[in-house]
Amino acid sequence: DTEVTQTPKHLVMGMTNKKSLKCEQHMGHRAMYWYKQKAKKPPELMFVYSYEKLSINESVPSRFSPECPNSSLLNLHLHALQPEDSALYLCASSQGIQGPGVPYEQYFGPGTRLTVT
Amino acid sequence: KQEVTQIPAALSVPEGENLVLNCSFTDSAIYNLQWFRQDPGKGLTSLLLIQSSQREQTSGRLNASLDKSSGRSTLYIAASQPGDSATYLCAVRPGGGATNKLIFGTGTLLAVQP
Repeated sequence: DTEVTQTPKHLVMGMTNKKSLKCEQHMGHRAMYWYKQKAKKPPELMFVYSYEKLSINESVPSRFSPECPNSSLLNLHLHALQPEDSALYLCASSQGIQGPGVPYEQYFGPGTRLTVT
Repeated sequence: KQEVTQIPAALSVPEGENLVLNCSFTDSAIYNLQWFRQDPGKGLTSLLLIQSSQREQTSGRLNASLDKSSGRSTLYIAASQPGDSATYLCAVRPGGGATNKLIFGTGTLLAVQP
């Protein structure tokens, strides 16, 4: 099973709301990622978790708060977002992140389409 | 800073044609390169991964090649079908550290006409 699931599929929120995106994988992967993708643009990395610890934060604004409660789950908490944060948010996972000789293919979920009004 | 570009940005071909998508990267220090397919509004589906020590990988009608020294990869699709219509993205994993960060290209939007 190479499936990464994301909920919800669509989310509309106001600028004062607090919401969360959820990602889950059951492949035993120990690295999980959040990407943001604007329309007609490639995905951009936001966060990387390795063994449930945050290893990369690509200078993402604090209104985005990631959380990795266990090795299978990854959340992205949203608060006080701006309309320009509207995008497709993609979650991915891989077996690990270490080692130059290890391919560690990334598997992506279907994404959450977020609209901030 | 690693930059990844894909040419052409869009491509329309008749069904049955063989085609080549191109990916270029500016820094040859990479661990691997991955090709993805993305349908409109959907997530990414991994197609092929080529390690830096490999020259090519094949899966069904797809063949991806890698020339690390010249900073180029190609994705060859044989006997194209309308179901192949999608955006194709290449992504490189930069070398030089224990990280699995991917840097994506700009994508090629492929339309296969029946």
